[in-house]
Amino acid sequence: DAGVIQSPRHEVTEMGQEVTLRCKPISGHDYLFWYRQTMMRGLELLIYFNNNVPIDDSGMPEDRFSAKMPNASFSTLKIQPSEPRDSAVYFCASSLRVGADEKLFFGSGTQLSVL
Amino acid sequence: GENVEQHPSTLSVQEGDSAVIKCTYSDSASNYFPWYKQELGKRPQLIIDIRSNVGEKKDQRIAVTLNKTAKHFSLHITETQPEDSAVYFCAASFSGGYQKVTFGTGTKLQVIP
Repeated sequence: DAGVIQSPRHEVTEMGQEVTLRCKPISGHDYLFWYRQTMMRGLELLIYFNNNVPIDDSGMPEDRFSAKMPNASFSTLKIQPSEPRDSAVYFCASSLRVGADEKLFFGSGTQLSVL
Repeated sequence: GENVEQHPSTLSVQEGDSAVIKCTYSDSASNYFPWYKQELGKRPQLIIDIRSNVGEKKDQRIAVTLNKTAKHFSLHITETQPEDSAVYFCAASFSGGYQKVTFGTGTKLQVIP
């Protein structure tokens, strides 16, 4: 398996524009997580899914943020409209709850810059 | 919800010395405590984990200890090497319901050759 795949790797956009980040989890994994990483706040959990169903979105900062998981192999995180304070690295991670194995596998991240 | 605090935020050690990173958690229901290492510009990767039924776990130069009563857990790196330089994150989660992993704020470890 190629691991968790995120796209794009880098995104530069202007304030007010819509941004869509994409994630393909590892095949067979039943959990998918979206994290945001900044120097000030570290790794923040935004939302996570179990079997494509959103379980907890309490970390989503504002209504400008939305996430979907239409099927087991694809998820999106959308920011509309984007603001400079959204600039961060956004990581997607997946895991498989088999027995006691809960290791998170992270994607390479999307570096978002909102000008 | 769970809150994980991590100290120190930065740590510099001489090559060959030991490094210790400490974390505390708030939710007594948490029972799984992984540690992730993130090298500059890379993704976080699991390096070691411990469950609440174990007090200590070792893997070569890395060890984790857990004090459930005090809700403390620590990462110990012995004989540090320059390649240990990275940001280390502790985390906590509950293995009984939905898996929600809460991370600490990270420790930037610098190993000086």
